[in-house]
Amino acid sequence: KAGVTQTPRYLIKTRGQQVTLSCSPISGHRSVSWYQQTPGQGLQFLFEYFSETQRNKGNFPGRFSGRQFSNSRSEMNVSTLELGDSALYLCASSLSGDDEKLFFGSGTQLSVL
Amino acid sequence: GENVEQHPSTLSVQEGDSAVIKCTYSDSASNYFPWYKQELGKRPQLIIDIRSNVGEKKDQRIAVTLNKTAKHFSLHITETQPEDSAVYFCAGSRGYNKLIFGAGTRLAVHP
Repeated sequence: KAGVTQTPRYLIKTRGQQVTLSCSPISGHRSVSWYQQTPGQGLQFLFEYFSETQRNKGNFPGRFSGRQFSNSRSEMNVSTLELGDSALYLCASSLSGDDEKLFFGSGTQLSVL
Repeated sequence: GENVEQHPSTLSVQEGDSAVIKCTYSDSASNYFPWYKQELGKRPQLIIDIRSNVGEKKDQRIAVTLNKTAKHFSLHITETQPEDSAVYFCAGSRGYNKLIFGAGTRLAVHP
């Protein structure tokens, strides 16, 4: 069974640009959540989707948004990039909305110059 | 607000010794407490978890204990091996897969 797949693996952008990251969950998993990992702030929750509905959102500005498609694949978008957005963005999938056993992807390393 | 504090931030042990990492959570509605291991350059992987209706859970050399009254939970690794070297994260959740993570503990096991 294939694991959680995130693309691209690395991204370099400049301030003010926009970026879209993609996540394909484990087959059969319906919940996808996104986390930002930085050396200073650790792992921080961005948002979670279940059956195309955002059920929970972390304390990030509105520049961070996401969506989930009918096949459970998810995308997150960051608009008007800032230097502080440089981070590893991790996607995690879970079988249902309640079992909470998260399986993480390898992440997308975003660098904002 | 929701917060999980984790100690120590670094831990160095000799191979074969035990390692203990402790976490404290603030949200009394939290009912699920997983532990993740992240090796350098790799993804976080779930190693053990516990729910609030259980006080202790064990899986081979790894155990987790939960004290709901004190809002403490701990990870215990016995007979440590060099391959246990990694960053360990505790987390708490009240539902909907929203995990609040601790800051992490860098464990080094020396042969």
